[in-house]
Amino acid sequence: DIVMTQTPLSLSVTPGQPASISCKSSQSLLHSDGKTYLYWYLQKPGQSPQLLIYEVSSRFSGVPDRFSGSGSGTDFTLKISRVEAEDVGVYYCMQGIHLYTFGQGTKLEIK
Amino acid sequence: QITLKESGPTLVKPTQTLTLTCTFSGFSLSTSGVGVGWIRQPPGKALEWLALIYWDDDKRYSPSLKSRLTITKDTSKNQVVLTMTNMDPVDTATYYCAVWGGAAAGSLWGQGTLVTVSS
Repeated sequence: DIVMTQTPLSLSVTPGQPASISCKSSQSLLHSDGKTYLYWYLQKPGQSPQLLIYEVSSRFSGVPDRFSGSGSGTDFTLKISRVEAEDVGVYYCMQGIHLYTFGQGTKLEIK
Repeated sequence: QITLKESGPTLVKPTQTLTLTCTFSGFSLSTSGVGVGWIRQPPGKALEWLALIYWDDDKRYSPSLKSRLTITKDTSKNQVVLTMTNMDPVDTATYYCAVWGGAAAGSLWGQGTLVTVSS
């Protein structure tokens, strides 16, 4: 099984400041088709998860451009350029090259 | 507009079989590339992917739960059913279904349904 490891597990950010979450996979997520199957989700308090980023860096429909994804192989990063109050919640990465596995989650709070 | 809604029992006893139904609208599970997946989340814990069924009836299961899970679809009713056998208190969780559409895995999720396993 592929293990997904997120760091940090929690972070507290002042509104307007940037935030960054790391996700590392135990195996490369680069498929033979040339695509890398890494996704990012946000679960806001009391809500269902929502897709933010697919295939490492493609923003899903309606996702603000302050969210960006990067990385390759086994190392990936989600960045929020300027955190807003509505960004609080738990962020999860997920791999999709061999079935699907989520990371442990990173809780974002506002200072 | 795509919507998904999970339904099923809120309480099951240990050793019983859980049957959950995902009823969706706004897309068809007969469209090439489309799938519906199930994910669960124990209270206060992380998400865990369980199973996925594609438009062509291809089925995928979590290796750790494969022996206990069955996923089926009824395209005419716009429903996907997940059964999990031999339920245990550790299976207490909110169970979600979500649509897998092309490149966007888990693009939209249902509201989830909390299932408690207790005698």
